Amino acid sequence: AIQMTQSPSSLSASVGDRVTITCRASQFIRNDLGWYQQKPGTAPKLLIYSASTLQRGVPSRFSGSGSGTDFTLTISSLQPEDFATYYCLQDYIYPWTFGQGTKVEI
Amino acid sequence: QVHLMESGGGVVQPGGSLRLSCAVSGFTFSTFDMHWVRQAPGKGLEWVACIRNDGSNKYYVDSVKGRFTISRDNSRNTLFLQMNSLTVEDTAVYYCAKDRLSVASLDYWGQGTLVTVSS
Repeated sequence: AIQMTQSPSSLSASVGDRVTITCRASQFIRNDLGWYQQKPGTAPKLLIYSASTLQRGVPSRFSGSGSGTDFTLTISSLQPEDFATYYCLQDYIYPWTFGQGTKVEI
Repeated sequence: QVHLMESGGGVVQPGGSLRLSCAVSGFTFSTFDMHWVRQAPGKGLEWVACIRNDGSNKYYVDSVKGRFTISRDNSRNTLFLQMNSLTVEDTAVYYCAKDRLSVASLDYWGQGTLVTVSS
């Protein structure tokens, strides 16, 4: 199975900061990667699919980039509602695999 | 409005079985692939299984192969996960999720149902 290595596992940031999270695949996955946000006690929410396409309704401060094996999620100006855990998910080949998550804290 | 609701979770002893259901509404169920994803307490997300829109193909994470079976009833707009030979490592919140049509990703999720495997 493809391994997804996400970094950092956690980070501390302030409102207004630019935040970058990376995800590396153990093998080529084209651009078949999504980013998900999860807040405590709730289901994950799709933010970005196909590595860089913003899901409808997601604020434009979120952006994704990358292809092949290296991917990045960027939050351009962190807002209070963005404090959450973020996961990447490769949907290139079964079994799909998630990164281990990045907790964004104040 | 798209809605997914899981049910069937609970407490079960090791070696036991449980069947989860996911009732959906707000979209044409038979058009979309469907997935199960789980999350152990305090841990990250783990993709579990997928079934094609017409039930023709099914995929599983290695840790559940031979024990879990994903199925669907398109006439009842319901997704299922039959879980057998449960172990304590299967304790988790189980989410059902809808796949997008043309580009794979999980665009809608249920609220989750908790499965606890304990003696």
